[in-house]
Amino acid sequence: KAGVTQTPRYLIKTRGQQVTLSCSPISGHRSVSWYQQTPGQGLQFLFEYFSETQRNKGNFPGRFSGRQFSNSRSEMNVSTLELGDSALYLCASSLVDYNEQFFGPGTRLTVL
Amino acid sequence: ELKVEQNPLFLSMQEGKNYTIYCNYSTTSDRLYWYRQDPGKSLESLFVLLSNGAVKQEGRLMASLDTKARLSTLHITAAVHDLSATYFCAVGGATNKLIFGTGTLLAVQP
Repeated sequence: KAGVTQTPRYLIKTRGQQVTLSCSPISGHRSVSWYQQTPGQGLQFLFEYFSETQRNKGNFPGRFSGRQFSNSRSEMNVSTLELGDSALYLCASSLVDYNEQFFGPGTRLTVL
Repeated sequence: ELKVEQNPLFLSMQEGKNYTIYCNYSTTSDRLYWYRQDPGKSLESLFVLLSNGAVKQEGRLMASLDTKARLSTLHITAAVHDLSATYFCAVGGATNKLIFGTGTLLAVQP
């Protein structure tokens, strides 16, 4: 059974640009969550989608947005990139609410 | 606001020794997760604890949850080098939102 996949794995952007990251959950999983991991702030929740609806959002500025498609694949977008957006972005999928969440390999974003 | 504290932040152990990582959280939740992360890698799910008193064991790792004390522990028995990694606890919030602890970097020395 294929795990959670994320593309691209690595990205280098410059300040002011925008970026789109993609996540494909495990087949059958309808919940997709996104997290940002940095050395200073640790792992922080960005948002969660279920059946194309955002159910929960973390404390991030509006430059961070996301969406989910009918096949449960999800994308997150960061506009007007700042140096502080450099991080590992992880997505996780879950079959059942309040149960195990499986993480993808992550996308490492570097903003120069 | 839910906060999750782990201690210690860094743990250097000798092979064969036992130790415990502690995870305290600030508000009521009955969902506690433990993950392992190797350098440069993603998070690997270790345990999902969904009720007060839950105890789960896998190999040399055992996790428990006390929702009344808002405390989870991850006990390591007879550590081996392969257990060297960063361990995170995470508490379940609304829907599938997870609030992560700071992580414990475990280094097992031969």
